[in-house]
Amino acid sequence: GAVVSQHPSWVICKSGTSVKIECRSLDFQATTMFWYRQFPKQSLMLMATSNEGSKATYEQGVEKDKFLINHASLTLSTLTVTSAHPEDSSFYICSAPPGTSRNEQFFGPGTRLTVL
Amino acid sequence: AQSVAQPEDQVNVAEGNPLTVKCTYSVSGNPYLFWYVQYPNRGLQFLLKYITGDNLVKGSYGFEAEFNKSQTSFHLKKPSALVSDSALYFCAVSPDYKLSFGAGTTVTVRA
Repeated sequence: GAVVSQHPSWVICKSGTSVKIECRSLDFQATTMFWYRQFPKQSLMLMATSNEGSKATYEQGVEKDKFLINHASLTLSTLTVTSAHPEDSSFYICSAPPGTSRNEQFFGPGTRLTVL
Repeated sequence: AQSVAQPEDQVNVAEGNPLTVKCTYSVSGNPYLFWYVQYPNRGLQFLLKYITGDNLVKGSYGFEAEFNKSQTSFHLKKPSALVSDSALYFCAVSPDYKLSFGAGTTVTVRA
């Protein structure tokens, strides 16, 4: 099946710093990618839809200035958590649907962010 | 708006016994339904999907799911569970490209 990678797999940073997380589709092109946030033993919460060549679409309640999304190419989307605080600590997961039909999405392995 | 409900937080079964993980959905129009599995500190792995056609869908690792339109359900099943099936299972519905996930069901298969 299609492969989606994320980097880094885990990151620890100090409060107030910014952290960039990369999501790559390795063997297919993705005009759309999705960013989720998951708290321990909870479901995935969709944060935003990343659109190649245009602005991301954020879900209600997600601060676009805090969670910057850039979809610079058909295989790469980045999520930057700006001025991170301990409450931003979470598991961040990206996904991408290959093709143009509503098929299953392929998920990255996730990035564990810990803000001290 | 679409939604998915997984009524059980946890399911515990003995190895070799049948495993069922329940899911009900609410969506306008034709539902696209999915099951994903998540192992600790990992992303989600696709198990199976229902888009149209046969109500019984077969997927990865011996799992299957039955789409029941009248009961708006899409329960995940496996005839004989393995210890390695212990994981967190998510049902999801997609009326468009976005996925709406259920709360998840933790499955524990004891040896």
